[in-house]
Amino acid sequence: DAKTTQPPSMDCAEGRAANLPCNHSTISGNEYVYWYRQIHSQGPQYIIHGLKNNETNEMASLIITEDRKSSTLILPHATLRDTAVYYCIVSGRETSGSRLTFGEGTQLTVNP
Amino acid sequence: DSGVTQTPKHLITATGQRVTLRCSPRSGDLSVYWYQQSLDQGLQFLIQYYNGEERAKGNILERFSAQQFPDLHSELNLSSLELGDSALYFCASSVGGFKGEKLFFGSGTQLSVL
Repeated sequence: DAKTTQPPSMDCAEGRAANLPCNHSTISGNEYVYWYRQIHSQGPQYIIHGLKNNETNEMASLIITEDRKSSTLILPHATLRDTAVYYCIVSGRETSGSRLTFGEGTQLTVNP
Repeated sequence: DSGVTQTPKHLITATGQRVTLRCSPRSGDLSVYWYQQSLDQGLQFLIQYYNGEERAKGNILERFSAQQFPDLHSELNLSSLELGDSALYFCASSVGGFKGEKLFFGSGTQLSVL
C-alpha cells in the first residue's frame, strides 16, 4: 500500500471547519483513499473513502487532488465529540486487497 | 454501533496462559479481520478470513492462530502469553473482502497479561 503522511496533531475551534491534510504521493491508479477515526481506544470508525472524485457523506467531505497525490478530509462543523485520532489510509493494491494499514494518524483536538 | 460484536471486553490472565477472543461480524459480511493495538506499535493487521478461508496474513506471531467458522464468527487464539501481548485486539468485518470496501470495527477486547 502507498505510504501516507499526516501532521501528528491539529487543533480546531468548536463550530469551525476542520481540514485534515494527507499526502500520498506514491498512490497507484487503483488504490482508494480511506479516512477512519479512533476516539480514545474505541474501535476505529469509518468516515469516508474515495478513488478519484470528491466525496461527501453525512459525516464529512473528502477532497482528492487531480493528481491524487494528496487529499483533505473536511469536517464542516467540528464538535467536541470529533476529538479523535484521524487516519488517512491508502489501500487497494492487488497484493493488499481490502485490508487497511494504519499509520500514526493526526490527533485532532476540538476546543470549546 | 458498528454491528460487529467482540467478547469479552476485558481479559486478565497470566504469562504462559492461553486465551480465546471471539468476534461476530455484521450480518451478511463474509470477511473478518483481526488487528492488534499496543502503545508502542499502533494498529497492526494480524490476519484476514473470507468465508472460512484464510485470505491474508500480517504480523501475526506463530503463538497466535485464528479461524472463521461456518456461521462466519471468528476466534483469535493467543497461547504462551507474554507480557508484551497485552494490547487491544480489534475485529473488523466487510462484505466480501474486496478492495474499495468499508471495514467496520468492533469495540475491541482489552487483554492484560500479568
